[in-house]
Amino acid sequence: QQQVKQSPQSLIVQKGGIPIINCAYENTAFDYFPWYQQFPGKGPALLIAIRPDVSEKKEGRFTISFNKSAKQFSLHIMDSQPGDSATYFCAASRDAGNMLTFGGGTRLMVKP
Amino acid sequence: DVKVTQSSRYLVKRTGEKVFLECVQDMDHENMFWYRQDPGLGLRLIYFSYDVKMKEKGDIPEGYSVSREKKERFSLILESASTNQTSMYLCASSPHTYEQYFGPGTRLTVT
Repeated sequence: QQQVKQSPQSLIVQKGGIPIINCAYENTAFDYFPWYQQFPGKGPALLIAIRPDVSEKKEGRFTISFNKSAKQFSLHIMDSQPGDSATYFCAASRDAGNMLTFGGGTRLMVKP
Repeated sequence: DVKVTQSSRYLVKRTGEKVFLECVQDMDHENMFWYRQDPGLGLRLIYFSYDVKMKEKGDIPEGYSVSREKKERFSLILESASTNQTSMYLCASSPHTYEQYFGPGTRLTVT
């Protein structure tokens, strides 16, 4: 039973395109929604995170859109670059410092 | 800079062997976690610890145990390794906030 469902599993875009990765959750007690980025041979690293009291958060070229009523959130990468090629994981948590529930991951390739 | 280190990058073990995976963090974090990562399944939590000698089961604890004798060190133990435990194992630590810091992972193959 996967509480956080992520799509698509893989994504290929051209440089400059805007890849969008979507996640849906079931547990309404979740109150923290991070995105992690993982390069080959490395552990995941926090990219950006949002709380449910806002509908959008931007950090550089990365934007999270959050729809509380639909229980969905998504990551948009503006002006994508080949260096953004990585696996992206969405996650959700309901307590600070407690367990994160991860989505299945999206393998993004940005072609030059 | 937070540093989480894992004892091995690659490990090959035989079925039935006892396997120890070690994780050390240098930031005095209270919380430590063990995950396994499998394609299409994301990261699944095996165990976590919020203090020395304290542990909680995650989503998939069967076949695993953990030990935390010192704050900086969290060990994952496979009592009798099986082929379905072939996976990437990731350790993470966090202070009492949401962000988790991950190690580079140990790719374990059980033959």
